Amino acid sequence: GQSLEQPSEVTAVEGAIVQINCTYQTSGFYGLSWYQQHDGGAPTFLSYNALDGLEETGRFSSFLSRSDSYGYLLLQELQMKDSASYFCAVRPTDSWGKLQFGAGTQVVVTP
Amino acid sequence: KAGVTQTPRYLIKTRGQQVTLSCSPISGHRSVSWYQQTPGQGLQFLFEYFSETQRNKGNFPGRFSGRQFSNSRSEMNVSTLELGDSALYLCASSLGTVVQETQYFGPGTRLLVL
Repeated sequence: GQSLEQPSEVTAVEGAIVQINCTYQTSGFYGLSWYQQHDGGAPTFLSYNALDGLEETGRFSSFLSRSDSYGYLLLQELQMKDSASYFCAVRPTDSWGKLQFGAGTQVVVTP
Repeated sequence: KAGVTQTPRYLIKTRGQQVTLSCSPISGHRSVSWYQQTPGQGLQFLFEYFSETQRNKGNFPGRFSGRQFSNSRSEMNVSTLELGDSALYLCASSLGTVVQETQYFGPGTRLLVL
């Protein structure tokens, strides 16, 4: 099976950089995804790492190292609108339609 | 292109009742997955449908069921509601042709069981 661990909460000021780590124990998966969810909203896809390395999408970057069972999401130039929960998720191999999620990290951005 | 839509957005039921939730996927998407989100358990996978067939199922009791129609719209049903079924129910759609496709989520249905 799979288990993913993330910090429960991170607080930072506007303009700062935040790194959300995700460590996992899994028997096999296709890649690591990141989703953002604002209070009362739907999870929104942010990034996907199929292979080891860094993926950059604007202010957000995501990294995966399968040998270290570790990934992270990097939020740069933090804005107030980035206050939300962030989830890492894996897609188990041969498991149609299923994402296995971490418990989520609440990011609080302060002025 | 319109996103994933879910109806109703909010629902209040009492214990023992049953409920049906609806999900319309993004046009062209044939896979619909359902998730339950609670503060205690987080996001948990319920089941996935593709071309009117259930392809995958999570670890939920038989009270939770679903179906998919020929237009890819999907419904999930919870019978004999329990207090612990209070949750945000999310559906997500994807093309459904490869396992590692990105899923796109709807806004969810918030169910409160009294």
